[in-house]
Amino acid sequence: NAGVTQTPKFQVLKTGQSMTLQCAQDMNHNSMYWYRQDPGMGLRLIYYSASEGTTDKGEVPNGYNVSRLNKREFSLRLESAAPSQTSVYFCASSESTDAIYEQYFGPGTRLTVT
Amino acid sequence: KNQVEQSPQSLIILEGKNCTLQCNYTVSPFSNLRWYKQDTGRGPVSLTIMTFSENTKSNGRYTATLDADTKQSSLHITASQLSDSASYICVVSVGAAGNKLTFGGGTRVLVKP
Repeated sequence: NAGVTQTPKFQVLKTGQSMTLQCAQDMNHNSMYWYRQDPGMGLRLIYYSASEGTTDKGEVPNGYNVSRLNKREFSLRLESAAPSQTSVYFCASSESTDAIYEQYFGPGTRLTVT
Repeated sequence: KNQVEQSPQSLIILEGKNCTLQCNYTVSPFSNLRWYKQDTGRGPVSLTIMTFSENTKSNGRYTATLDADTKQSSLHITASQLSDSASYICVVSVGAAGNKLTFGGGTRVLVKP
């Protein structure tokens, strides 16, 4: 039982390049989330998927797209990376979007855009 | 605007000593408050979760308190260990939806031998 896994762990991109961050969970959770964490700031929600087949914008969605591939997998795509997207990205999952359910986080992807 | 403020930003304590971290929030409507521990290079891990009707919640050497009237919470670490070195994040749920979490910036704790 690995929980939430993310790939890659580290990535360096040049401005304008694209990439996809992968996330998978093995807890049979319905809801999945993508956050970014910047130094000195709290985590901010980029996109979330309440259930398979649905996705919605969070607080900071600009410059990102997501795909809920199936119940297990939720990917985050940067179409044209910008230096402002340098951050640590965390994927999380929970039983549902009801606030009583805990969110379980992956280990993160550290992305640098030069 | 919903906000969660934590203090101090960082602190250093000696192994075996106690410490208390503070969290003030201006979130409405309040649903619950969580404390997470985040080790360097890892994702956050939940320590406690409290609804507005709960005043205290413990998890081993970690004890969280909540005063919903003053919108303040604290996390007390008892008999600190080197493994307690981490960032501690206060998170408040806005309303009943888990996708509306407001995260504090965290308090970085360093435990020295």
